Amino acid sequence: SQTIHQWPATLVQPVGSPLSLECTVEGTSNPNLYWYRQAAGRGLQLLFYSIGIGQISSEVPQNLSASRPQDRQFILSSKKLLLSDSGFYLCAWKKIGNTIYFGEGSWLTVV
Amino acid sequence: AQTVTQSQPEMSVQEAETVTLSCTYDTSENNYYLFWYKQPPSRQMILVIRQEAYKQQNATENRFSVNFQKAAKSFSLKISDSQLGDTAMYFCAFMKHVASGGSNYKLTFGKGTLLTVNP
Repeated sequence: SQTIHQWPATLVQPVGSPLSLECTVEGTSNPNLYWYRQAAGRGLQLLFYSIGIGQISSEVPQNLSASRPQDRQFILSSKKLLLSDSGFYLCAWKKIGNTIYFGEGSWLTVV
Repeated sequence: AQTVTQSQPEMSVQEAETVTLSCTYDTSENNYYLFWYKQPPSRQMILVIRQEAYKQQNATENRFSVNFQKAAKSFSLKISDSQLGDTAMYFCAFMKHVASGGSNYKLTFGKGTLLTVNP
């Protein structure tokens, strides 16, 4: 069966420090992958999506970047975190049948 | 750009009763997908129900059903026999194909409705 995992689950980082959140999908190949952010409040904002290795599309200009070094691996990064980067980050993948499923999420607090 | 509107920021219902959450969307597309996701306090985003726009029949999953009105661009969620475990934030979401020749789809969310089921 297909599963998605992301880590770390919780992260507290100082302003100006780097960030790396990792997401992997198992049990499938060539999935569409997504990073969403949910800031305090409620809405989910699409940050990046990828349809293949090395193919990244950015939805909003920001302090973050994404990479897809392997077929089932999707990484969210930052060189220098800002306070405004705090939030709940969700990785997701699209399954055959056009349904998107989410990982467990990662809480990021920038202090 | 597609927009998804959930006009009810919060709702409450008594256990065992029925509640309906509203969602409207705006699109010029003819082929798309609609979803309801549930986010309990654990923050895990869980798929509740899915509807293809080309299907006239409303989707049903156990106690959850939708009322899909394509012309009106409305997609409401009905929860029957509400249970305490249904307490969560509910998100309506719209998905369409975004790239020709490929298989990329993008999901756009509404702002959510916080549903509380009272004992």
